[in-house]
Amino acid sequence: GNSVTQMEGPVTLSEEAFLTINCTYTATGYPSLFWYVQYPGEGLQLLLKATKADDKGSNKGFEATYRKETTSFHLEKGSVQVSDSAVYFCALVFNQAGTALIFGKGTTLSVSS
Amino acid sequence: DSGVTQTPKHLITATGQRVTLRCSPRSGDLSVYWYQQSLDQGLQFLIQYYNGEERAKGNILERFSAQQFPDLHSELNLSSLELGDSALYFCASSGTSGTGDEQFFGPGTRLTVL
Repeated sequence: GNSVTQMEGPVTLSEEAFLTINCTYTATGYPSLFWYVQYPGEGLQLLLKATKADDKGSNKGFEATYRKETTSFHLEKGSVQVSDSAVYFCALVFNQAGTALIFGKGTTLSVSS
Repeated sequence: DSGVTQTPKHLITATGQRVTLRCSPRSGDLSVYWYQQSLDQGLQFLIQYYNGEERAKGNILERFSAQQFPDLHSELNLSSLELGDSALYFCASSGTSGTGDEQFFGPGTRLTVL
């Protein structure tokens, strides 16, 4: 079936460090891909998305590129801030299966000053 | 603030009981989704409604049911509650039922079953 696999956390970084959170997916066809972020005590917010191969989603300094050949959508940021501390979820929507999001397990990021 | 509201914020109840969670989508959004977030299962899709009709079903137990009313708010009913039903329940809404649309999430209802 369709699924998303994220790197295990937690990820602990110092401020201004480079961030990569790996995400790979399994799906028959061409899903839309998303990164959501959940700050402590809050609901999820869409961080960025890509709807077709080679698309790059970007927002707030975060980027992810839809790689069909490696079925990946890795999240990157060049210089993290303390305020980026949160849980990050990779997700997909598989067109033919409806519009519900299928989420990875989430990766906790902790950034210290 | 996403514009999606959920009530109550917290709910504590006992095994065997029944509870109702309420969700009001963003103004104008026709689709409502329910998700369950638990430590062992992660975030799982339960059910989707679009303009009052059930559109898709995920891993929703038979003890759980939902509906969307003419004013587009939605309720998730959980009955014969078990300890394992303790989780954070999120509602999300989107403008259409199309894929690739952003889903806006509410703050969630934390259910504790004792």
